[in-house]
Amino acid sequence: AQTVTQSQPEMSVQEAETVTLSCTYDTSESDYYLFWYKQPPSRQMILVIRQEAYKQQNATENRFSVNFQKAAKSFSLKISDSQLGDAAMYFCAYRSRSNDYKLSFGAGTTVTVRA
Amino acid sequence: DTEVTQTPKHLVMGMTNKKSLKCEQHMGHRAMYWYKQKAKKPPELMFVYSYEKLSINESVPSRFSPECPNSSLLNLHLHALQPEDSALYLCASSPQTVSLRYGYTFGSGTRLTVV
Repeated sequence: AQTVTQSQPEMSVQEAETVTLSCTYDTSESDYYLFWYKQPPSRQMILVIRQEAYKQQNATENRFSVNFQKAAKSFSLKISDSQLGDAAMYFCAYRSRSNDYKLSFGAGTTVTVRA
Repeated sequence: DTEVTQTPKHLVMGMTNKKSLKCEQHMGHRAMYWYKQKAKKPPELMFVYSYEKLSINESVPSRFSPECPNSSLLNLHLHALQPEDSALYLCASSPQTVSLRYGYTFGSGTRLTVV
């Protein structure tokens, strides 16, 4: 079974600064996708960024970027120029064929942004 | 339309009541999902529908009964719930189940309280 581990329950960042959230996963698959979701107090889970395992280039979406280290099975999320609206719970997720294409979520990291 | 709409947003029900949660999407997605989420925890998969047929039931108690009347609509019928069933119920959709690259589009959820 695949497991996704987020070792940081909470992170705090000053507005305009950068914060990095860690995520590691355990798999024997070679073909899979990784995702970061954001869940603000409004409750809706929002897809932030995705990464295909076969692509070595790290994905970037505006102020969000990932550091994908396939051999180390690590998938960290960097939030640059943090804004108050970035305050949320962030979930790392994994999807593969062997898991019936289901999303497996990590425990989540709560990000607080200080003004 | 790029949204998943869930109604109601809040629901309080007694343990002897029967109620239903509704989820609707008009993105042409053929896979729809029900999740249960407790506070500060990741979502837990309950059911998966693929092309209007139930494809995954994660051993959910029979007091939860899903229904997919058409490709745009997903219901969750609730009967004889317990207080521990109080949670946020999230609906999600994706273009199809058997493709890794798609993340899910989530609704804002129904906050359920069982009294």
